[in-house]
Formats: sequence, structure tokens, C-alpha cells
Amino acid sequence: EVQLQESGPGLVKPSQSLSLTCSVTGYSITSNYWGWIRKFPGNKMEWMGYISYSGSTSYNPSLKSRISITRDTSKNQFFLQLNSVTTEDTATYYCARTLVNGWFAYWGQGTLVTVSS
Amino acid sequence: DIVLTQSPALAVSLGQRATISCRASQSVSISRYNLMHWYQQKPGQQPKLLIYRASNLASGIPARFSGSGSGTDFTLTINPVQADDIATYYCQQSRESPPWTFGGGTKLELK
Repeated sequence: EVQLQESGPGLVKPSQSLSLTCSVTGYSITSNYWGWIRKFPGNKMEWMGYISYSGSTSYNPSLKSRISITRDTSKNQFFLQLNSVTTEDTATYYCARTLVNGWFAYWGQGTLVTVSS
Repeated sequence: DIVLTQSPALAVSLGQRATISCRASQSVSISRYNLMHWYQQKPGQQPKLLIYRASNLASGIPARFSGSGSGTDFTLTINPVQADDIATYYCQQSRESPPWTFGGGTKLELK
């Protein structure tokens, strides 16, 4: 069974970088697509981007200058880095597995990241 | 970006039918594929895939959930509603990337 687990700091200061790890078990990240989605306070959900089985990436244009998604296939992990965060980036961050047709069948439990000084 | 519009809340009685709608700002259909998907989320939990490509039931989802629609108008139906179905429901499109987009969510409440 595919399982995903997010990890990383729960508190980040404004202007710093947010870095999260998604650890995947039960399935190789060298297949399918692996993405990040966030849910803001108030319920709005935003797709942030994904990394494909080949290592190619696609990002939400609203984040394109600040976001990077990378991976370590030897550890079966992929990573999110979001630069120059503000309080507007406070959200619960989820990693998920998706297919090329774009639905998210498997999700991590989510991790709350608060941006505050 | 394709904007998905959902009503913020819907009140239903247990045992009755719930119909949750999602309207897209442009078509999310390609040929015979309708690239609209539905999720359920309960407080403190991750979203759960219910329906993919508008009408396909995800693995392990009860048959009281169903989806329909094409083009710009889509519907998630729960019939009959059970207490365990009280949650927030989101639609999501993958017709246009980037970005894939989500609706604002519909909170299903009991009358």
C-alpha cells in the first residue's frame, strides 16, 4: 500500500525558506507523478506543483519564482522548497501521488506550517 | 486559470439525497474524458479521492457516491446521506496544467 508522510519545521520566519520532505513507502517515486498541495486557513486549496517519474517538474505559475521540487530516488523521497515566505504562506501542506491525468489518489496526512516572526 | 465555483454549504437530512455542484469557468472535457475529480475532507484528515474523471468511483468508495457532468457543469451526488458523510467536498480539474485548480469546497451539514 502506498503511504506518504510529510516532515519539516512547523514554524518558519518571514523571508526565510520553507523546506519539507515527503517520504514514500510502498511505491517507487520513479513511477507516476508526485505533487504538493496546500490548504490555507479558510479552506482554499492550491496545487503547488509536481515532479514526474523522470524528474521533470511543473509548477503553479503563481509560485514559479519561489518554488522548487526535487527528489532523492535512493531514499524514495521528494522535497518542497518555497523561498521568501510571508504570512500568506501559512497553510497545511500535503504531498500526494497523482497520475498524468491529474487526480490525487494518495495523500499524506499533511503538516501545518506557520510563517511568523 | 480555470476557476471552479462551488456553493459554500449544503444542509441535508440523514437518509436524503445530497447534490453538490461545481461549475468551471471553461470546459474541462477533452474528447470523451471529463477531467473533473471529487474529494471528501473531514476535519484533521487528508482529502480522500471519491470520484475521478467525473463519474468513476475510486477504490473503496461506497456506491452511494456518484458523479456526473461534462463540459463546465458537474455534480457529486450522495444518496442516501449517512452521518459519516458530513464533511467538506472539493472538486478539482486537471484539464489545464499548469495549474490544476480546486473549487472552494462545499461543507455538507445536517438539517
